[in-house]
Amino acid sequence: DTAVSQTPKYLVTQMGNDKSIKCEQNLGHDTMYWYKQDSKKFLKIMFSYNNKELIINETVPNRFSPKSPDKAHLNLHINSLELGDSAVYFCASSWTGSRQPQHFGDGTRLSIL
Amino acid sequence: SQQGEEDPQALSIQEGENATMNCSYKTSINNLQWYRQNSGRGLVHLILIRSNEREKHSGRLRVTLDTSKKSSSLLITASRAADTASYFCATDLNFGNEKLTFGTGTRLTIIP
Repeated sequence: DTAVSQTPKYLVTQMGNDKSIKCEQNLGHDTMYWYKQDSKKFLKIMFSYNNKELIINETVPNRFSPKSPDKAHLNLHINSLELGDSAVYFCASSWTGSRQPQHFGDGTRLSIL
Repeated sequence: SQQGEEDPQALSIQEGENATMNCSYKTSINNLQWYRQNSGRGLVHLILIRSNEREKHSGRLRVTLDTSKKSSSLLITASRAADTASYFCATDLNFGNEKLTFGTGTRLTIIP
């Protein structure tokens, strides 16, 4: 009965490959997010979707493309992976509204060889 | 640049003592939230304080907010080994798009 689940938990791949991370939430929330946490634990928003519509798109290379097939799912596809993409990627969800707490998945640790 | 910065970066205390972490931010905010992150896990929401509130309590947690100084503090009383984690503040700016900007985090270690 995990609230926000991400797969895979670990992803090890070669530079230049394309990979996807999947996220699903069963909380009924209408807003979902992708965050990147670097090696210094700094957490930065990448994208946010509300009811399948993109509402936040930070300065992220266009090699990163989010896709929301429905409001319970938000996937992240990354093309042409680079060494600097190594990080932990977190999916989160919440209700719409700035006072709503966000619920996070346990992260996907991406390592680029 | 980052909106929030926590101080100290790391804190070690004995079990049973109180732990205080501080967060400073740069611009006006709607709300400030505190989150906990256990090693290898996602962030867990602890408490939210609105810009018109000065203090809030939840169990062993006490949060204060001073908008004139653009700072907040999180106090954990009677610490337990299970409180060992990283703690982050997150601010919601006056843009109304649910974007949270996280601080740099305080790594708290409780020594049994």
